[in-house]
Amino acid sequence: AQTVTQSQPEMSVQEAETVTLSCTYDTSENNYYLFWYKQPPSRQMILVIRQEAYKQQNATENRFSVNFQKAAKSFSLKISDSQLGDTAMYFCAFMKWGSQGNLIFGKGTKLSVKP
Amino acid sequence: GAVVSQHPSWVICKSGTSVKIECRSLDFQATTMFWYRQFPKQSLMLMATSNEGSKATYEQGVEKDKFLINHASLTLSTLTVTSAHPEDSSFYICRGLAGETGETQYFGPGTRLLVL
Repeated sequence: AQTVTQSQPEMSVQEAETVTLSCTYDTSENNYYLFWYKQPPSRQMILVIRQEAYKQQNATENRFSVNFQKAAKSFSLKISDSQLGDTAMYFCAFMKWGSQGNLIFGKGTKLSVKP
Repeated sequence: GAVVSQHPSWVICKSGTSVKIECRSLDFQATTMFWYRQFPKQSLMLMATSNEGSKATYEQGVEKDKFLINHASLTLSTLTVTSAHPEDSSFYICRGLAGETGETQYFGPGTRLLVL
């Protein structure tokens, strides 16, 4: 069975600085997808970034980028130029290819951006 | 972009009554719908998975007779909490998926249920 571990329950960062959230996962699969989701106080789940395991190139979306290390089963999220609106819970998630789309979530990291 | 709506966004009901939550995919066809519940400061817990026109598959520990899921069309899925009790109070979230690559998948905004 797949598991996703987020070892940082809470983190804080000053506005405009950079922060990295860690995520590790355990799987014997070779084809899968990894995601970072943001859940702000409104509790709407928002997709931040998506990575296909077969792609070596790290995914980026504006200020958000990942460091995907397949051999180490690590998938960290870097947020550059942090903004107050980045304050949220961040969930790392794993999806096995062909699994009918089931997501395995980590327990989340609560990120606070301070002015 | 694609949107998934949920209705109601907030519901308060008396113990023993039933509550229906609707989840609609507005501009894509969700072949699979997932239902989650989330307690405060915790992660999402998968309750069940449903494919259009088929019976839902429930996760271990989730009572299928209590949490009735219907996925009658590619744009509508419903979750009915029957004979609700205070311990059913939670945040319920649906997620619609088209295909298996995760490119087309969206979460609904969630429904807060409070059972008195």
